[in-house]
Amino acid sequence: QVQLVESGGGVVQPGRSLRLSCTASGFTSSSSVMHWVRQAPGKGLEWVACMWSDGRNTYYTDSVKGRFTISRDSSKNTLYLQMNSLRPEDTAVYYCVKDDGTFGGSWGRGTLVTVSS
Amino acid sequence: DVVMTQSPLSLPVTLGQPASISCRSSQSLVHSNGNTYLSWFQQRPGQSPRRLIYKVSNRDSGVPDRFSGSGSGTDFTLKISRVEAEDVGVYYCMQGTQWPPWTFGQGTKVEIK
Repeated sequence: QVQLVESGGGVVQPGRSLRLSCTASGFTSSSSVMHWVRQAPGKGLEWVACMWSDGRNTYYTDSVKGRFTISRDSSKNTLYLQMNSLRPEDTAVYYCVKDDGTFGGSWGRGTLVTVSS
Repeated sequence: DVVMTQSPLSLPVTLGQPASISCRSSQSLVHSNGNTYLSWFQQRPGQSPRRLIYKVSNRDSGVPDRFSGSGSGTDFTLKISRVEAEDVGVYYCMQGTQWPPWTFGQGTKVEIK
């Protein structure tokens, strides 16, 4: 069955970088539209970024444009989120989400990113 | 961006009684292909979100039939016919018609009275 496992979260100082990974199993992630969604502590859900199955089309929410980059390694069946110039407001649990023709068919358990000095 | 507005934001319910959550979008969610990409997600305490309903009224596999979705255009509703203890959590509507960005409602917290 479909499984998504995020990793790479942690505590980082403002202005620093972090790379999140999402390892997929049970399907080929490069043939699916894949998203990152985040949830700040005690808050709601916010879509962050997505990569189309062609690997060329990517989209970002305005607040992360120019700072975050979504990418993938098909050989590892892994999706990434490179996060640069991190801000305290980027503190959240980051979820990897599979699009099965409609957003959100499968979610990972998330990885917590804390941006704090 | 399409703004999704849910009501109520807090919903105390009695076990076995029905519950209803409203979701309104700032623009029509009817896609040019005729589909309406409105989904509902459930997030139980301490868990990841789980999709319950997609394209307004289609239940995902394994979702109990006490959950139902309805609506059209800009007004949508999630109904629970008889609330059970395991239904406690936060429910989000989300639109996937006009993207980017994909946008969520604020969430409705369902709790037992």
